[in-house]
Amino acid sequence: DTAVSQTPKYLVTQMGNDKSIKCEQNLGHDTMYWYKQDSKKFLKIMFSYNNKELIINETVPNRFSPKSPDKAHLNLHINSLELGDSAVYFCASSQGVGGEYEQYFGPGTRLTVT
Amino acid sequence: SQQGEEDPQALSIQEGENATMNCSYKTSINNLQWYRQNSGRGLVHLILIRSNEREKHSGRLRVTLDTSKKSSSLLITASRAADTASYFCATSRYSGSARQLTFGSGTQLTVLP
Repeated sequence: DTAVSQTPKYLVTQMGNDKSIKCEQNLGHDTMYWYKQDSKKFLKIMFSYNNKELIINETVPNRFSPKSPDKAHLNLHINSLELGDSAVYFCASSQGVGGEYEQYFGPGTRLTVT
Repeated sequence: SQQGEEDPQALSIQEGENATMNCSYKTSINNLQWYRQNSGRGLVHLILIRSNEREKHSGRLRVTLDTSKKSSSLLITASRAADTASYFCATSRYSGSARQLTFGSGTQLTVLP
């Protein structure tokens, strides 16, 4: 009965490949997010969806494309992976639009690009 | 750009001592939240304090907010080894038409048994 789950937990791939990370929440939340945490633990928002609609799209290369098939799922597809994409990616969800509510985070996906 | 800055970056204390972490931010906020991250795990929400509140408690946690100084502090009393983690403050502000949380760089707390 995990609240926010992500798959895979670890992802090792070569430069130039395309990969996807999946996220699911069973909290009934309307809003979901993708964050990137770098090696210095700095956490930066990438995208936010509310009721399957994109509401925040920070300055992220267009190689990153989120997709929300329904309110409970938010996937992240990354094309043409680069070394600088290596990081931990967190999915999160909240009851309402970001900032006003506590956010529930998934366990993270550690992406290593070689 | 990064909104919150935690201070200190790292803190090491003995079990039973109190731990204080500070967070400073730059622009007006709607609320400020504190999160904990254990090694290799996702962030866990600890407490939310609104801009019109000055202090909030939750168990062994005490959070203060001084909007005039644009700063907040997190106090953990009677620390335990299990409190060892990174602690992040996050401020809520508008980004375009939507509010978002902006996280600081965190304080790494180590509680020695």
